[in-house]
Amino acid sequence: DTGVSQDPRHKITKRGQNVTFRCDPISEHNRLYWYRQTLGQGPEFLTYFQNEAQLEKSRLLSDRFSAERPKGSFSTLEIQRTEQGDSAMYLCASSLLRSQRTDTQYFGPGTRLTVL
Amino acid sequence: DQQVKQNSPSLSVQEGRISILNCDYTNSMFDYFLWYKKYPAEGPTFLISISSIKDKNEDGRFTVFLNKSAKHLSLHIVPSQPGDSAVYFCAARGGSQGNLIFGKGTKLSVKP
Repeated sequence: DTGVSQDPRHKITKRGQNVTFRCDPISEHNRLYWYRQTLGQGPEFLTYFQNEAQLEKSRLLSDRFSAERPKGSFSTLEIQRTEQGDSAMYLCASSLLRSQRTDTQYFGPGTRLTVL
Repeated sequence: DQQVKQNSPSLSVQEGRISILNCDYTNSMFDYFLWYKKYPAEGPTFLISISSIKDKNEDGRFTVFLNKSAKHLSLHIVPSQPGDSAVYFCAARGGSQGNLIFGKGTKLSVKP
């Protein structure tokens, strides 16, 4: 039983470059979430998918950010024209929606992005 | 405007004693609450959750209490162990939305 995996674990890039992160959820989980965490803060919601449909986006998700979940399996999060303010830990979580009352999200190890 | 607040940035407890971590929320529409534990450079690990229709949930050394009238929940760890030292996040899910809203965390240190 594998958990949520994320790749890469660390990414250092120069300002203005594009980066893409991948998340593989727990198999059979139908919901997938992306969060961002900066120092001293809790994770902040970015977007989520139910199967392949992107159902909600946070206002934190500027037009430089795009996420996909083709075929309802793995997901990618792309940041275009990175800025120093994008430096953060990007977390992916997945859940199996059986009922609204028991929708527990399980997190991956995160991708640490540093924009120089 | 924070909807989930953890007002104690840190807590230090002696091994074997009880650790009590507190969390307050403002939105009465929240229907599901979770506690996560996080080590540096790792993702949050799920610990325990509670639905808004309950007031207590227990799992081994961990118990979560929910007081809806006070919009307050707490996590009790008994007995505390040095391996419990980590940052603990309280999170709430709002209504039909799937996303979680997190507090800023409380750093627990359990001293041998």
